[in-house]
Amino acid sequence: AQKVTQAQTEISVVEKEDVTLDCVYETRDTTYYLFWYKQPPSGELVFLIRRNSFDEQNEISGRYSWNFQKSTSSFNFTITASQVVDSAVYFCALSEDIQGAQKLVFGQGTRLTINP
Amino acid sequence: KAGVTQTPRYLIKTRGQQVTLSCSPISGHRSVSWYQQTPGQGLQFLFEYFSETQRNKGNFPGRFSGRQFSNSRSEMNVSTLELGDSALYLCASKGQVQETQYFGPGTRLLVL
Repeated sequence: AQKVTQAQTEISVVEKEDVTLDCVYETRDTTYYLFWYKQPPSGELVFLIRRNSFDEQNEISGRYSWNFQKSTSSFNFTITASQVVDSAVYFCALSEDIQGAQKLVFGQGTRLTINP
Repeated sequence: KAGVTQTPRYLIKTRGQQVTLSCSPISGHRSVSWYQQTPGQGLQFLFEYFSETQRNKGNFPGRFSGRQFSNSRSEMNVSTLELGDSALYLCASKGQVQETQYFGPGTRLLVL
């Protein structure tokens, strides 16, 4: 069965610090997708990034960057120069594709608090 | 494009009642998935609908059901509510196969 582990339950840092959120996954599939979502207090899951299993290129988007390493089954997320608005719960997810149907398996989430 | 919308946003029910939640996907999206989020179990997949057919189902009792209409709008129903059904119910829509699931704001259900 597929599994996603986010070992860090809560992280608290001071504004402008860099912070890395860890994500480790398990799957037997050779083709899969990995995602990061942000959940602010309002509750809506906001999509941040999608990465497929064949693309191990790291990605940078502004202050956000993602490091995907198949060798260690990890898909880590780094926020550079954190801001108070980055405070939220962040979820890593793995997609399981069953005959075209997509089911997301989520980690338990990491609650990130950025203190001013 | 408007995002995924869910109604109602908040609900309070009592044990034994039933409830229906509604989800309108992003225009053009034909896949709608439902997830339950609780503090204890986290985010769990309920089911997915595509073109009015259920394609995939999570490990939930038969009290949880859903359907999808020809305009891709979806409803989920929970019958004989239990206290443990209190949760945030999130709906997500997706375009083509393997595209990203985009989530709505959720419906917070409290069962008393």
